[in-house]
Amino acid sequence: EVQLLESGGGLVQPGGSLRISCAASGFTFSKFAMNWVRQAPGKGLEWVSGISGSGGNTYYADSVKGRFTISRDNSRNTLFLQMNSLRVEDTAVYYCSKMTGSGSPTLYGMDVWGQGTTVTVSS
Amino acid sequence: DIQMTQSPSSLSASVGDRITITCRASQSISTSLNWYQQKPGKAPKFLILTASSLQSGVPSRFSGSGSGTDFTLTISSLQPEDFATYYCQQSYSTPLTFGGGTKVEIK
Repeated sequence: EVQLLESGGGLVQPGGSLRISCAASGFTFSKFAMNWVRQAPGKGLEWVSGISGSGGNTYYADSVKGRFTISRDNSRNTLFLQMNSLRVEDTAVYYCSKMTGSGSPTLYGMDVWGQGTTVTVSS
Repeated sequence: DIQMTQSPSSLSASVGDRITITCRASQSISTSLNWYQQKPGKAPKFLILTASSLQSGVPSRFSGSGSGTDFTLTISSLQPEDFATYYCQQSYSTPLTFGGGTKVEIK
C-alpha cells in the first residue's frame, strides 16, 4: 500500500525552528517528486515547497523562501522540511504529497497525501 | 504568480443534483489544472489531472473540462459522500497555486 506518514510537528515559539519528516512506503520513492502543502486553521490549501525525485531541484513559495529548506533522503525513503525563523502565520497542518512524476512539480498532480502534522507557532 | 479563483465559494445542493464549480486562472495555463476533494479533518484526495483526466477509482459522475484560463468541475448526480470542499490547483508553473476552495453543502 502506498503510504506517507508525517511526523515532527509541535508547538514552537516565534523565531524558533522545527524539522518535520515524511516517511514514504509502498512505491519507489526516488522516482517521484514530492511536495509540502500546508493548511492554516479554517483556511485553504497552500503549496509550500517541492523537490524533484533526485533531490537536485527544489522549489519554494515566496512566503517561506529563505526560511524553509526541503530535502530528501532517498536511501531512507524520507522527505524533510527544515523550518527556521518561524512566524505565527506558519501555524498550519503540514501535508506531504507525492507527485505523479519525477521532475519539476509542474505538469504533475499530487496523487498521494499523508495525514498531516500540526505545527503551531505561538508564544 | 498565477492566481486561481474559484466560484462559487460555497453552494447548497441536494442528492441527485448536477453541480458545476468554476476555476479561473489569472493567465493561460493550457490544461495544467488539477482538482482535489477534501473532507473535514482529512487530507485532500486527487480527482482530476490536466483538466479532464479522471484518476483511477474516482466515480464517473465527476468530470472536468476547460483549457486556457477557464475550467469546470462537474458532478453529474451528487451523492451523500460528495459533500466536501473542492480545490483546483495549477501545475503550469511554480509556485504551484490552489484556488480558494468551493464548499459543497447539503441543502
